[in-house]
Amino acid sequence: QSVLTQPPSVSGAPGQRVTISCTGNSSNIGGGYYVHWYQQLPGTAPKLLIYDNDKRPSGVPDRFSASKSGASASLAITGLQAEDEADYYCQSFDSSLSDSSLSGVVFGGGTKLAVL
Amino acid sequence: EVQLVQSGAEVKKPGESLKIACKGSGYSFTSYWVAWVRQKPGKGLEWMGIIHPGDSDTRYSPSFQGQATISADRSTAYLQWSSLKASDTGMYYCTRSAHVPAASDIWGQGTMVTVSS
Repeated sequence: QSVLTQPPSVSGAPGQRVTISCTGNSSNIGGGYYVHWYQQLPGTAPKLLIYDNDKRPSGVPDRFSASKSGASASLAITGLQAEDEADYYCQSFDSSLSDSSLSGVVFGGGTKLAVL
Repeated sequence: EVQLVQSGAEVKKPGESLKIACKGSGYSFTSYWVAWVRQKPGKGLEWMGIIHPGDSDTRYSPSFQGQATISADRSTAYLQWSSLKASDTGMYYCTRSAHVPAASDIWGQGTMVTVSS
């Protein structure tokens, strides 16, 4: 059970817009810590999609965007394409899990996106 | 090209020891942190811990402290187990981060570890 909660699955038709939520609490997202998002295509390593809440690395299409408000964050994908079918993970930092030798970097449970 | 290249798949028996590797190239390896992430078959990502190869500063997730050991030299990071369990079966990824808890911008291809009697 992750401290960051994502819906297990979302779906959408090609061309549509979908959003994926990532809900935390005051020890992580709500505490002001950055949220990062990763895309994992089937059978491949994850890839950084969004960093520092809303920034896109070079090469990531602007169809992908993200935002954060309070203790939640969301990833939006517009103009859905078949190639977007993948697992998506949010990541943040949880201060309640950290001390001088421990680090509370945490992932959400992941969301499987199906393109209908 | 900036990349992390991991060692190959491993099949081990319970109780055996193992050390897997992650070699960085195309950047100053000792200037970035290297994290390890586990993914059990069909499951999500789990952050295990992180090391700074420049000074060997190492931090573990509370869930993984004592379960495995992270180390590094000037070009390669390592993840090792002294006594494997069946529950250690999974894909292990190494990743690069500029600091803790920055995003992982580079990922290795993964090393599959299978522990079975």
